[in-house]
Amino acid sequence: GAGVSQSPSNKVTEKGKDVELRCDPISGHTALYWYRQRLGQGLEFLIYFQGNSAPDKSGLPSDRFSAERTGESVSTLTIQRTQQEDSAVYLCASSSPSGTQYFGPGTRLTVT
Amino acid sequence: AQSVSQHNHHVILSEAASLELGCNYSYGGTVNLFWYVQYPGQHLQLLLKYFSGDPLVKGIKGFEAEFIKSKFSFNLRKPSVQWSDTAEYFCARGPNFGNEKLTFGTGTRLTIIP
Repeated sequence: GAGVSQSPSNKVTEKGKDVELRCDPISGHTALYWYRQRLGQGLEFLIYFQGNSAPDKSGLPSDRFSAERTGESVSTLTIQRTQQEDSAVYLCASSSPSGTQYFGPGTRLTVT
Repeated sequence: AQSVSQHNHHVILSEAASLELGCNYSYGGTVNLFWYVQYPGQHLQLLLKYFSGDPLVKGIKGFEAEFIKSKFSFNLRKPSVQWSDTAEYFCARGPNFGNEKLTFGTGTRLTIIP
């Protein structure tokens, strides 16, 4: 079966523009996570969706960041008015019933 | 706040050498521990995980890790590394069977010299 997929794989945008990043989780996975990895750093949790429960947004760094998920399918992470410090690899993961998180290939965002 | 520390930022070994990568986690209730690996150009993938039971956990590709509660450690080991083990290794902890946000260490880059 297919793994977690993300699009685009690379995104270059100008400072101040909005961007949307997409994640397609593994079919049947109830939980979906977004993480961010800045250069030379570990993965930083952003947001977590579990079924129909309210998402855990505790990791979002500012109100410029938001994410949506439709049911147990696709999720979109939106960054408004991008800043240079938003440059990072944005990783999505989905969780099997056993709880193991499976990661996608990431979207490399560069803000110029 | 939960935290994970990986003190080795870059490790260079020759093939057949033994490997031990350090991972320490902060105290804080139930702990579930993971090692993930990212080979060059590939996704993060799970090497092994510890939820409960036997503190010595065996994973893929000959890797193992030992949960030592008294030391708050979960070091990754392999008795004899191969060139193909060149990758970045991340230790992570989760609060509840991994089905919630993971806290990652900063990663250790492993370079194996043929």
